[in-house]
Amino acid sequence: DAGVIQSPRHEVTEMGQEVTLRCKPISGHNSLFWYRQTMMRGLELLIYFNNNVPIDDSGMPEDRFSAKMPNASFSTLKIQPSEPRDSAVYFCASSNREKLFFGSGTQLSVL
Amino acid sequence: AQSVAQPEDQVNVAEGNPLTVKCTYSVSGNPYLFWYVQYPNRGLQFLLKYITGDNLVKGSYGFEAEFNKSQTSFHLKKPSALVSDSALYFCAVRDLDKIIFGKGTRLHILP
Repeated sequence: DAGVIQSPRHEVTEMGQEVTLRCKPISGHNSLFWYRQTMMRGLELLIYFNNNVPIDDSGMPEDRFSAKMPNASFSTLKIQPSEPRDSAVYFCASSNREKLFFGSGTQLSVL
Repeated sequence: AQSVAQPEDQVNVAEGNPLTVKCTYSVSGNPYLFWYVQYPNRGLQFLLKYITGDNLVKGSYGFEAEFNKSQTSFHLKKPSALVSDSALYFCAVRDLDKIIFGKGTRLHILP
C-alpha cells in the first residue's frame, strides 16, 4: 500500500481565495482525521470521520472551514475564503483503530 | 476529557548517552497512550503504544516507554542515543475514537 496520500504537497495562495486539500486514506481503514500543525498551537485535530460520517468537527476553527468524505477512499478539506492565519501544515491520517498513519502533509501559505 | 502534557519543549542529549522524553497524562478510566515521531517535512510515525499489560513497552528504533500509574507518566526512553534520533516527538492519548497529541518535544542528539 502506498500509505496515506495527500495533495498538493505545497499550496501558495492569496487571501480570499478558495483552497481545497485532498486526502486518500489507506484502503480498509475506516477512520480518517484532519490535523493542522503550527508552531504556536502544535498539532490540532480539526475533524474526524468514521465510515465516511463526520463524528466530531469541534476542532474546525470557523465556518470558513469544511470537510467532506464522499466515499471510503477520498476526503477533502476546504477553506473559503482563506486568510493568512490559515497558513500551516495540514495533515490527513487514517486509522485501523490501533494507530494512526499520517500523510506527508500539505504546506499551505496564504499571502 | 483526556489530555497529555509534555513539559519540555526541547531536550539535548549527547550521542551514546541515554535519553528520556517526558510525558504526563490525565485520563478518566484506562489510558491508551502512544508515542509518535516526526522527522523534518514528514508526517508523524507511530513508535509505540500502551493499552494494558507490562508497564515497559518496547517500540520501533530501539525506543521504549515506561507506564507509571502512580505518577501518571509515560516517559519515552532509549539507552543509547543516535544522531539520527533527532526529531520532534509527540505523546498522545486516545479519547474515544480520536487521538489527542501533546505539543511535542524537540530532541537534539549532539555528535
